[in-house]
Amino acid sequence: DAGVIQSPRHEVTEMGQEVTLRCKPISGHNSLFWYRQTMMRGLELLIYFNNNVPIDDSGMPEDRFSAKMPNASFSTLKIQPSEPRDSAVYFCASTGTSGANTGELFFGEGSRLTVL
Amino acid sequence: AQSVAQPEDQVNVAEGNPLTVKCTYSVSGNPYLFWYVQYPNRGLQFLLKYITGDNLVKGSYGFEAEFNKSQTSFHLKKPSALVSDSALYFCAVRSSGAGSYQLTFGKGTKLSVIP
Repeated sequence: DAGVIQSPRHEVTEMGQEVTLRCKPISGHNSLFWYRQTMMRGLELLIYFNNNVPIDDSGMPEDRFSAKMPNASFSTLKIQPSEPRDSAVYFCASTGTSGANTGELFFGEGSRLTVL
Repeated sequence: AQSVAQPEDQVNVAEGNPLTVKCTYSVSGNPYLFWYVQYPNRGLQFLLKYITGDNLVKGSYGFEAEFNKSQTSFHLKKPSALVSDSALYFCAVRSSGAGSYQLTFGKGTKLSVIP
């Protein structure tokens, strides 16, 4: 079992640049979540997809952030333009139908973003 | 709104001693409660969950947690700590209501097991 795969693991960019983070959920999982982790705010849910459809994007900080899930095996989180306050670790998590009912999420290793 | 409080930013315990990491929660209706562990530079890993039934739940790596409805608590415990247990521990809650999916995490507690 490959687990949730995220790329890149580390990204350093300059303010104003576009950043794209990628996620491949576990095969067969139909729910996907993007979280952001910072020291100040802890883990925050950004967006939730079910069966490739965005269900709740109320956690997306502002219009600079967008997320897509074109198919069941791929999702992207894009920040354009990036700002230093976007520096954080971004996690993707997935779960199957039974997991969504009980909350057991499977997390990727995370993408550490640094915006200079 | 649902919330989780982990009152201790850090817990230090000697190897071989019992450990407790505290968690209290607030949620509408019956809770689903979880503990996750995060090792440095890694994602969160599921440890255990309470859904219904026995208030004492057992999970991975010898950890267990006790659900106390009257105190709205779900403390994580282990009888004998190992150095390898040193990590960041997160408590999480969500409502058991139909259609509920939002998992709210606490800020995390850093556990350090001293050799």
